[in-house]
Amino acid sequence: GAGVSQSPRYKVAKRGQDVALRCDPISGHVSLFWYQQALGQGPEFLTYFQNEAQLDKSGLPSDRFFAERPEGSVSTLKIQRTQQEDSAVYLCASSSGVNQPQHFGDGTRLSIL
Amino acid sequence: GNSVTQMEGPVTLSEEAFLTINCTYTATGYPSLFWYVQYPGEGLQLLLKATKADDKGSNKGFEATYRKETTSFHLEKGSVQVSDSAVYFCALSVDTGGFKTIFGAGTRLFVKA
Repeated sequence: GAGVSQSPRYKVAKRGQDVALRCDPISGHVSLFWYQQALGQGPEFLTYFQNEAQLDKSGLPSDRFFAERPEGSVSTLKIQRTQQEDSAVYLCASSSGVNQPQHFGDGTRLSIL
Repeated sequence: GNSVTQMEGPVTLSEEAFLTINCTYTATGYPSLFWYVQYPGEGLQLLLKATKADDKGSNKGFEATYRKETTSFHLEKGSVQVSDSAVYFCALSVDTGGFKTIFGAGTRLFVKA
């Protein structure tokens, strides 16, 4: 597609449920990033993929967060046993290579009740 | 560690006024610096970038110069328009094996007609 696509746009879940957020990067982009953005804050880095390899997951806040990109294109961010503090906008970005400008999706707004 | 500090908003200006949004950073190594913009209802998009000291990034009338001696990357525009109303994020990326990108908290700009 023309840009980075994220789904769903909005997700409401009850505390304790598992959620899965999807990111379709720009075709051919080898680099893929996930960020968490709290209200009124800048995006916080979660994890980075180069093709299918997860090279940096230092930003994942706990072992409840898991990301994968098995075929080097679509990526899924999974959050297990969700907590209220997980409520945020989750952004995905892709780029054509390391240190190249990132193209962002519109994000998934996650609300945990 | 690596961090970005930008001036707090909101910043309110009249049309055709001069804009400066301050951004300073701390980083190990030699970061690349970016300004991203988020227009109302839209996703983050790259505004401009600079990859080494004394580089000037420019786009849509906005400019920012990579100042290593003052560790700054201030955003400027000589004459703002109502359509420039948005949230502006300063960011840096460093090679940590994954080119983690670190964002500032964002500065909201309102431009009045």
